[in-house]
Amino acid sequence: EPEVTQTPSHQVTQMGQEVILRCVPISNHLYFYWYRQILGQKVEFLVSFYNNEISEKSEIFDDQFSVERPDGSNFTLKIRSTKLEDSAMYFCASSRQGVHTEAFFGQGTRLTVV
Amino acid sequence: TQLLEQSPQFLSIQEGENLTVYCNSSSVFSSLQWYRQEPGEGPVLLVTVVTGGEVKKLKRLTFQFGDARKDSSLHITAAQPGDTGLYLCAGGGRGGADGLTFGKGTHLIIQP
Repeated sequence: EPEVTQTPSHQVTQMGQEVILRCVPISNHLYFYWYRQILGQKVEFLVSFYNNEISEKSEIFDDQFSVERPDGSNFTLKIRSTKLEDSAMYFCASSRQGVHTEAFFGQGTRLTVV
Repeated sequence: TQLLEQSPQFLSIQEGENLTVYCNSSSVFSSLQWYRQEPGEGPVLLVTVVTGGEVKKLKRLTFQFGDARKDSSLHITAAQPGDTGLYLCAGGGRGGADGLTFGKGTHLIIQP
């Protein structure tokens, strides 16, 4: 069964460093998303991406965040200068037609900023 | 800001009992999805409901979308220990690329 895959599963970084989280969405999906979940809190939407550009972003997705689809398969989230409060699980998701159909999530990357 | 409130936050029942958990909002959603999340893992989609009043069944799980598309419920019949987990509801917006709004979830424990 097709699935969304994310790497790495766990990343530890020092405050102020740049990190890149990687995702391979399901191959015939058109919409891609990043979400985050701070420990013990709810899953929060960061950004959606369609047709090689950002479609929508939340207030959380400020200038330190960027997304890219560098080739036909990968979808990345870059955090330019990490802060302690960026520590969270980051989930990539994809869907075939947008939120009216199923959104499938990856296993997540646990980012720890020290 | 759209919010989804899930209740109860925690529920512990005995194997074989029935239960219902709720997902409520003051906002209208164009679709609503239920997920199950295990610790340290990503949410796994259970069902999507789109039409007001829609009912979908997945084995012993019955999902209903409210007529006004502001609320939903998940009913489990004859709960089993394997049903233990965190159940999340998530509402979709009007646009195809809108992000999902998640509730905080219901932690369900089914005791043998």
